[in-house]
Amino acid sequence: RKEVEQDPGPFNVPEGATVAFNCTYSNSASQSFFWYRQDCRKEPKLLMSVYSSGNEDGRFTAQLNRASQYISLLIRDSKLSDSATYLCVVNEGTGGFKTIFGAGTRLFVKA
Amino acid sequence: DTGVSQDPRHKITKRGQNVTFRCDPISEHNRLYWYRQTLGQGPEFLTYFQNEAQLEKSRLLSDRFSAERPKGSFSTLEIQRTEQGDSAMYLCASSFTPRPNRQAGNEQYFGPGTRLTVT
Repeated sequence: RKEVEQDPGPFNVPEGATVAFNCTYSNSASQSFFWYRQDCRKEPKLLMSVYSSGNEDGRFTAQLNRASQYISLLIRDSKLSDSATYLCVVNEGTGGFKTIFGAGTRLFVKA
Repeated sequence: DTGVSQDPRHKITKRGQNVTFRCDPISEHNRLYWYRQTLGQGPEFLTYFQNEAQLEKSRLLSDRFSAERPKGSFSTLEIQRTEQGDSAMYLCASSFTPRPNRQAGNEQYFGPGTRLTVT
């Protein structure tokens, strides 16, 4: 089993759609969680941290379920500019510095 | 520009040659990470520094790979006797140590990467 698993892609959605990405992690001692966005041939950019209580940033909502070892990202009212690869990220280890990335889920938003 | 910088951005080398990459983190960040990314995969953790101390190395980091952060600021990653399988994007990221009781922390900020091609 992979340490961090994401939905296989790609997701093809029309503008304005709501899309949800799921991610599971294997290490119950994982300490912190993030979603990153990566555009083609660019570096990953932090989208949002994922808090135990869930958090929202504009059209983006992240949820964490520690009992199920599950993280989600919801994008509402998709824009063309949301087209990218979304990476689920988990920090493990004492101090939470060992960082594991999922393989990413590709999103295409079409007009 | 106060972000993470990496140099060079592209490197083409022949198999068997040594290469060295440099990373300059965000100045107030004490943590520095190196990753390798190949097409269609997420970044793979290679190694981690807190200040000048190298605290973790992945099993991916063979004996041909070495990383340093001599003064706790910039870092170098050297690959000796390069192989074609070393061709990848090498990414550097930095962060600061999260404060205790902070809900999240260790948000990492990435440099643009060094794309290595071994021919």
